[in-house]
Order: sequence, then C-alpha cells, then structure tokens
Amino acid sequence: GNSVTQMEGPVTLSEEAFLTINCTYTATGYPSLFWYVQYPGEGLQLLLKATKADDKGSNKGFEATYRKETTSFHLEKGSVQVSDSAVYFCALTQGDDKIIFGKGTRLHILP
Amino acid sequence: AAGVIQSPRHLIKEKRETATLKCYPIPRHDTVYWYQQGPGQDPQFLISFYEKMQSDKGSIPDRFSAQQFSDYHSELNMSSLELGDSALYFCASSLGELVLNTEAFFGQGTRLTVV
Repeated sequence: GNSVTQMEGPVTLSEEAFLTINCTYTATGYPSLFWYVQYPGEGLQLLLKATKADDKGSNKGFEATYRKETTSFHLEKGSVQVSDSAVYFCALTQGDDKIIFGKGTRLHILP
Repeated sequence: AAGVIQSPRHLIKEKRETATLKCYPIPRHDTVYWYQQGPGQDPQFLISFYEKMQSDKGSIPDRFSAQQFSDYHSELNMSSLELGDSALYFCASSLGELVLNTEAFFGQGTRLTVV
C-alpha cells in the first residue's frame, strides 16, 4: 500500500542554518505530495504541496520538489528561524479520500 | 476567514464512558475527515464523509461511529472508551473530495483523555 517515510527527529539547528527534512514515498501511479506543519498546541496546517512530477511547492521560505525518479519530496529552507520550531509531516494522497502521513519530524531551532 | 471548528477542545472521560466530538467544517465545504493522533504519533485516518454519506473508512474501531448532518457538520461518537483512546482527534474539511485534488483544512483538534 501507499506509505510515507520521513527522517526521524528531533532535528536541532541553530537560527539561520540550512534545513533539510527527507521524505520518500511508496505509491503506485502519481500521488499528490504535501508537507504539513503542526505548531505546539495547534492543528495541522498545509505548508506546501506538489501534484505532479518536477513540481516545486513553496511557502514561507520552505521548498520541496516532487522527484518521481527518487520518489522523494524533501523539505528545505535556506535560513531557519526560531519560529519554525514545530513538527513537520510529509503526506500523500492518491485516488481516495485519505491523507497518508509520515511519522513526523520535530524541529527545534535554537536562537 | 472561517476555519474548521472542533468542540470541545479538551475532554476528560472515564473508562467505559461515551464521548461525542463535534466538527463544523468551513462554510460551503461538503467533505469532512476524522483523524486520530496518538501521543508522538502521526495522524491516522478514521473516516470521511462527502455530502452526508460515508466516503471512506480507515482504522476506526467498531466502538466508534460518525455521521455528517444536513448542515455538513459531523459528530464522532465514541463508546466504551478505553485508555488507548486518549489522543488528539482532528477533523478536516474540503470542498469536494481529495481525489479531485482539493485541499483539506484541519481544525485545532479535540484532546481526549481517558482516565
């Protein structure tokens, strides 16, 4: 079945560091791919998405490119801020009404 | 802009009791999804409704039931509660089903604690 695998956390970085959170997926066909962010005590917010191969989703300085050849959708940001501290979920949808989430990666940004 | 509203935000119940969680989707949204997120876990899909009909079902226990009403709000009913039901329950809504490449918007969740 479809699944999402993302790097385990926590990830701890200093402010202004470069961020990469790896995400790979298993799916037949062409899923849509997403990154959700969950701030402490909050619900899930869609951060960015890509619906076809080679699409790049971007929002708030974060980017991720849909790579079909490597079945990946890695999240990157050039310069992180303390306010980016949250849990990040990679997710996919394909052909039905459920979102399949990865296990989540907790990100801590130190001032 | 109006978001997905869930109530209550926090709920404490004893084992074997019953709980009802409510979800009010974004106005005009016709599809509702329920997810369960255990401590430190990823959200797990429970059930979804489109136009008041169940559209998909995931790992929802038989002790749980849900429905979508004529005003599109949804309720998740949980009976014979167990300690393992303690989790954050998210509702999401969308305009149309996910298969149509629409976006799901999540509520802030209801934190259920079973003691």
